[in-house]
Amino acid sequence: GEDVEQSLFLSVREGDSSVINCTYTDSSSTYLYWYKQEPGAGLQLLTYIFSNMDMKQDQRLTVLLNKKDKHLSLRIADTQTGDSAIYFCAESIGNDYKLSFGAGTTVTVRA
Amino acid sequence: EAGVAQSPRYKIIEKRQSVAFWCNPISGHATLYWYQQILGQGPKLLIQFQNNGVVDDSQLPKDRFSAERLKGVDSTLKIQPAKLEDSAVYLCASSLGGKNIQYFGAGTRLSVL
Repeated sequence: GEDVEQSLFLSVREGDSSVINCTYTDSSSTYLYWYKQEPGAGLQLLTYIFSNMDMKQDQRLTVLLNKKDKHLSLRIADTQTGDSAIYFCAESIGNDYKLSFGAGTTVTVRA
Repeated sequence: EAGVAQSPRYKIIEKRQSVAFWCNPISGHATLYWYQQILGQGPKLLIQFQNNGVVDDSQLPKDRFSAERLKGVDSTLKIQPAKLEDSAVYLCASSLGGKNIQYFGAGTRLSVL
């Protein structure tokens, strides 16, 4: 199974906030990432957080990191139809900063 | 700045045939990665190059998969012979190296029949 775990699906109404959760296992992870994948496209980096931070905000995106519980979340404010996609949580592992991905959360925005 | 280029976008082959994928990373990026993304799963690292040397190929099924990056720029990933379970999207990514951000190409979707 995946070392990084995410819920598989999230449905949200347009204009509401979305919260996507992730748990990871490697306490030595230095960076944690959120990537977005639209149908037929590669992965687009949305944001990342360094492990010594507990929050990062970037426009409509807020990342919260609870290092004690190894829990990462991504909040999208004012969710739009263009936010419908699969969102992947990833942690960097080891000195080579290899990425380990979760299975992805499919976010569906309904009108 | 041009992104990571991959070709072809789609490939359909029969089992036991061979296939090759090509990747051109972002100019100046020393590190190149190949990932396999099976439907419904996250990407899994197959191989990582630093310039033209292999950093990690521990997850590459070496009996059938091979990859090279001869001049430290473009890379090819080959499968010979293909199996049904190789059906997936093969993603290439590049970075300046180390903790720097990985940028992904659009991927090659392989269907093995």
